[in-house]
Amino acid sequence: QQPVQSPQAVILREGEDAVINCSSSKALYSVHWYRQKHGEAPVFLMILLKGGEQKGHEKISASFNEKKQQSSLYLTASQLSYSGTYFCGTEMGGGSQGNLIFGKGTKLSVKP
Amino acid sequence: DAGITQSPRHKVTETGTPVTLRCHQTENHRYMYWYRQDPGHGLRLIHYSYGVKDTDKGEVSDGYSVSRSKTEDFLLTLESATSSQTSVYFCAILGGNSYEQYFGPGTRLTVT
Repeated sequence: QQPVQSPQAVILREGEDAVINCSSSKALYSVHWYRQKHGEAPVFLMILLKGGEQKGHEKISASFNEKKQQSSLYLTASQLSYSGTYFCGTEMGGGSQGNLIFGKGTKLSVKP
Repeated sequence: DAGITQSPRHKVTETGTPVTLRCHQTENHRYMYWYRQDPGHGLRLIHYSYGVKDTDKGEVSDGYSVSRSKTEDFLLTLESATSSQTSVYFCAILGGNSYEQYFGPGTRLTVT
């Protein structure tokens, strides 16, 4: 039931692009993305809802393929500040009271 | 900043002792959550609350209990701590937009 994230880790140079994937074996109502910097709490990035609605971060984009139950987070022209661990959280139903099942995370390191 | 604090921030305790962690919020949010975070596992939901005295189990609730006697406080209790409960514990609230979770700074608990 835990979503699977790939890759587990990625190293980039500043300015390069990256894609982080999140796949579920269950039908999803929404996918949430969070970023956590080392030693800090996770911070919300965006939500993708069934039906195509997106809300969240202006500089980060994502997609949600309902047929495949898969979401992808696109980090373009990466900056040093993008470094951290990215988690997707999945919600099975609209009435789940915010209960999310998180993936194990993808560690992103951006080098100068 | 959603006004969430956790106490204590660090604790070392011995196996078999009871431990209570406190989460305090200042903005009267209805939903509150307790997660644990362990390397290689991501964030896992322990218990959540949808109002005063209204709580329910998450995916890893065994060995934990919770209480919410006031809107602002959500307590997590380990009745008899075990080494497997060594972890970082995060509290979160569901923001007013009903999809963004705000996390507290975390409590690092070590059970020896």
